[in-house]
Amino acid sequence: DARVTQTPRHKVTEMGQEVTMRCQPILGHNTVFWYRQTMMQGLELLAYFRNRAPLDDSGMPKDRFSAEMPDATLATLKIQPSEPRDSAVYFCASGLRLEVYQETQYFGPGTRLLVL
Amino acid sequence: EDKVVQSPLSLVVHEGDTVTLNCSYEVTNFRSLLWYKQEKKAPTFLFMLTSSGIEKKSGRLSSILDKKELFSILNITATQTGDSAVYLCAGDGGATNKLIFGTGTLLAVQP
Repeated sequence: DARVTQTPRHKVTEMGQEVTMRCQPILGHNTVFWYRQTMMQGLELLAYFRNRAPLDDSGMPKDRFSAEMPDATLATLKIQPSEPRDSAVYFCASGLRLEVYQETQYFGPGTRLLVL
Repeated sequence: EDKVVQSPLSLVVHEGDTVTLNCSYEVTNFRSLLWYKQEKKAPTFLFMLTSSGIEKKSGRLSSILDKKELFSILNITATQTGDSAVYLCAGDGGATNKLIFGTGTLLAVQP
């Protein structure tokens, strides 16, 4: 039963600390997405990759956020330095991009981040 | 600006009722519309709609897309308490392959 995995599932940290979240996409999927969900903003797309290349990170505060995909089995989202307003659930999703239509995206369980 | 608007924002019904959730979209280079169900965890996929007028069904859930009027509906018949969740719709747009999410409809099904 293939699924997207994310670590850690929960993270509590202090303001100013670095936070790294990891995602293992479903094997064979060629797109990876990072989302953030808060009560106030709902679900927001932060960044996404296709075939490991970053295609769009316009939703991400670039001064403190960075997203990478060092290999096909690992995507990372890093916040440095973290701030209380970064507290949210961060979802990773993976999908398979077809020629014409995108297949559905499969979401990981999320990382619940609390920055004190 | 691309946007997806869902209505109602929230809905309370009793078990056995039928509900209709609405989603209107303005998405450049529109490709498809997706519906998700989110309980207390990650969203789970329900439907992907690409063609107008073709209903997709899964058990008590069904959905249809109108590409002329730019909206979709999600129907749930004979609702059960397990249907209580936030239902999200998202438009899939063009070359950047972005999913633009609506704010969701919170459905509460009372026994």
